[in-house]
Amino acid sequence: KAGVTQTPRYLIKTRGQQVTLSCSPISGHRSVSWYQQTPGQGLQFLFEYFSETQRNKGNFPGRFSGRQFSNSRSEMNVSTLELGDSALYLCASSLSTGPGNTIYFGEGSWLTVV
Amino acid sequence: GENVEQHPSTLSVQEGDSAVIKCTYSDSASNYFPWYKQELGKGPQLIIDIRSNVGEKKDQRIAVTLNKTAKHFSLHITETQPEDSAVYFCAASNQAGTALIFGKGTTLSVSS
Repeated sequence: KAGVTQTPRYLIKTRGQQVTLSCSPISGHRSVSWYQQTPGQGLQFLFEYFSETQRNKGNFPGRFSGRQFSNSRSEMNVSTLELGDSALYLCASSLSTGPGNTIYFGEGSWLTVV
Repeated sequence: GENVEQHPSTLSVQEGDSAVIKCTYSDSASNYFPWYKQELGKGPQLIIDIRSNVGEKKDQRIAVTLNKTAKHFSLHITETQPEDSAVYFCAASNQAGTALIFGKGTTLSVSS
């Protein structure tokens, strides 16, 4: 069974540009979450989608957005990139939403903003 | 706000020794506590998890204990091996159960 797949794995962008990251969850999983990982802040929750609806959102500015498609695949977008957005962006999936669901992570997308 | 404290930040042990990592959480509504192992350049890999209706869970050399009253949970690795070297993260579910709050991580080094 394939795991969580994220594309692209590595990318470099310039300040002010925007970026879109893609995630395919484990087959059968309907919940997709996104996390940002940086050396300073650690792993921080961005948002969760279930049945194409955003269920929860972390404490990030509106430049960070996401969506989920009917096949459960998800994308996240960061507009007007800042140097501080350089991070590992991790997608995670689980069978469903709500308490106690086991969450599996992908390998992440490494974003460098120059 | 919701917070998870993890200690120690670094841990060095000899091969064959045991390693213990401890976490405390602030939200009494948290009911799911996973542990992840992250190797360099990779995403976090789930190694064990525990739910609030269980006090202890074991999987081969790895065990997790949970004390809901004290809001503590711990990871125990016995008979450590060099391949156990990695960064370990504890996490607790938020009140809605829709997000994980992570500790800052423990870098475990196992020397042979």
